[in-house]
Amino acid sequence: EADIYQTPRYLVIGTGKKITLECSQTMGHDKMYWYQQDPGMELHLIHYSYGVNSTEKGDLSSESTVSRIRTEHFPLTLESARPSHTSQYLCASRPTGGAYGYTFGSGTRLTVV
Amino acid sequence: TQLLEQSPQFLSIQEGENLTVYCNSSSVFSSLQWYRQEPGEGPVLLVTVVTGGEVKKLKRLTFQFGDARKDSSLHITAAQPGDTGLYLCAGVKNAGNMLTFGGGTRLMVKP
Repeated sequence: EADIYQTPRYLVIGTGKKITLECSQTMGHDKMYWYQQDPGMELHLIHYSYGVNSTEKGDLSSESTVSRIRTEHFPLTLESARPSHTSQYLCASRPTGGAYGYTFGSGTRLTVV
Repeated sequence: TQLLEQSPQFLSIQEGENLTVYCNSSSVFSSLQWYRQEPGEGPVLLVTVVTGGEVKKLKRLTFQFGDARKDSSLHITAAQPGDTGLYLCAGVKNAGNMLTFGGGTRLMVKP
């Protein structure tokens, strides 16, 4: 049973549309992350949060924005989608401290046409 | 240049063969993790190693952390088609900090 949920799993939208990718976790983890990944390729960190009202940009420049109003919820928004945003978006969380691994969601496969 | 270099990038083998995947860096990590990702899914944690020289076994998978904590290896014995996937190593430089992922090794095991 998944403890971190991403919706939708698949999304096909037109250029210029605003979209929000949802990510929720039930584990009470403080740290949450968004990664972008092309199929079978490496993960690129685009946003992260260490707690409520804390958000930072990752290593990969992204036109998306995130918010963290509640511990369990970390949505990602694209104000105006473009074909270059076509990719898989993965959300992950982990507890604070120690050598804990990340728990990943199943991802959202976004296609912008 | 990536902080964590994985090799090989691609590996296609027959069922029953053995294989080793490597994860190398010039940096020291406080811990290192291995994940497996199947197509269309998120990565799933396989193991965390924290002590230099540590060896962990998970059924047919053997993980080793280098003595200097700069590298790691994953050895699979008698590979099966179910082992097919993308294998990712990821390191933490300081406890509590975020992971740095390697580029991944894509493994295909043919029946």
